[in-house]
Amino acid sequence: AQSVTQPDIHITVSEGASLELRCNYSYGATPYLFWYVQSPGQGLQLLLKYFSGDTLVQGIKGFEAEFKRSQSSFNLRKPSVHWSDAAEYFCVLSGGYQKVTFGTGTKLQVIP
Amino acid sequence: DGGITQSPKYLFRKEGQNVTLSCEQNLNHDAMYWYRQDPGQGLRLIYYSQIVNDFQKGDIAEGYSVSREKKESFPLTVTSAQKNPTAFYLCASSIMGRRQIQETQYFGPGTRLLVL
Repeated sequence: AQSVTQPDIHITVSEGASLELRCNYSYGATPYLFWYVQSPGQGLQLLLKYFSGDTLVQGIKGFEAEFKRSQSSFNLRKPSVHWSDAAEYFCVLSGGYQKVTFGTGTKLQVIP
Repeated sequence: DGGITQSPKYLFRKEGQNVTLSCEQNLNHDAMYWYRQDPGQGLRLIYYSQIVNDFQKGDIAEGYSVSREKKESFPLTVTSAQKNPTAFYLCASSIMGRRQIQETQYFGPGTRLLVL
């Protein structure tokens, strides 16, 4: 069975500070991994994805994520957070055709 | 602009009533999906469709029904059998690669269903 764990339900950072959101997965083969962002009452927007190749993936809005097979992790990072980054972030694992697992999400609060 | 639209944004359901949520996409995607989102639970798959006139149950299909008569449309009906329908419903679509690996899913803005 595949699973995704986002251990932090809620994170608060100051504007301008760096950010790292954690994502751990369990899967028996090479996973396809995604990060999505959801603003309140809105749909999900794709930030970045990892299929293969370079383990450091660049996304939109200045986000990046690093795939670490040895740690079964795919953490999302941003060097300097903006107030507009406040939202909920979902790590998503695709283990093959139609087998998609969403993490439970991490809510990011940004304080001035 | 290509994208996915969902309507209405908010929907109220009375006891014993069936309601239908609309999802339309103009991305020319073959696959479409319906998810339910509850606080603290992430997204759970209700139904998905790979092609017109075909659809499959997801993890929580009980109390829901769908149809796929057109490529661009995938409406979801929440029936009276769904005892706890209050949630945020998200529709998504994906291209459907020839190798049938999971494609990136693109999401609509969602419909919030509330029970009166």
